[in-house]
Amino acid sequence: EADIYQTPRYLVIGTGKKITLECSQTMGHDKMYWYQQDPGMELHLIHYSYGVNSTEKGDLSSESTVSRIRTEHFPLTLESARPSHTSQYLCASSESPGVADTQYFGPGTRLTVL
Amino acid sequence: TQLLEQSPQFLSIQEGENLTVYCNSSSVFSSLQWYRQEPGEGPVLLVTVVTGGEVKKLKRLTFQFGDARKDSSLHITAAQPGDTGLYLCAAGTSYGKLTFGQGTILTVHP
Repeated sequence: EADIYQTPRYLVIGTGKKITLECSQTMGHDKMYWYQQDPGMELHLIHYSYGVNSTEKGDLSSESTVSRIRTEHFPLTLESARPSHTSQYLCASSESPGVADTQYFGPGTRLTVL
Repeated sequence: TQLLEQSPQFLSIQEGENLTVYCNSSSVFSSLQWYRQEPGEGPVLLVTVVTGGEVKKLKRLTFQFGDARKDSSLHITAAQPGDTGLYLCAAGTSYGKLTFGQGTILTVHP
């Protein structure tokens, strides 16, 4: 059972609001990831981190930003939310080095921007 | 260009039927994972395959990694409604990152 948590699970906000999606893991994993996923579709990597003070942009361009001040915590922030940001956001972590890049996922945050 | 091509994209079957989902690529991978995702939840790892030709069984699910490590398949025997979900294949690229296929939405009707 993976111990990775995301809050909130659901968020409905108005355009222009600043939001932070929380992600925490208790497994001591160095690597953490943020994905964006539309319903029933593939996952797109938007940010990743290999450890404290390490953050990189993923394959899909995103207006969000991330930080990694503590190993267990990898929050994602949107400074000014827009309807185009409506999606499911999934956080994941993996060991380093680990078994064949296996990632453990949180339950996701479903964001709706009105 | 999709690095991993999954097929079919949608699959609707009756309880008790067998099915196979395919994951294909022109690239060689060191490993490939299969995940299952239920609505409103994150993907859950089913299996990781690392050796060309490898076959792994998980109850009614059989996973195969191609000899050339470019493709994989997931076969479900006697599908049950509880098997309903989105099935995703994923392959490691660089530095522990994964690239995902577009997924197969499976619906098993009672």
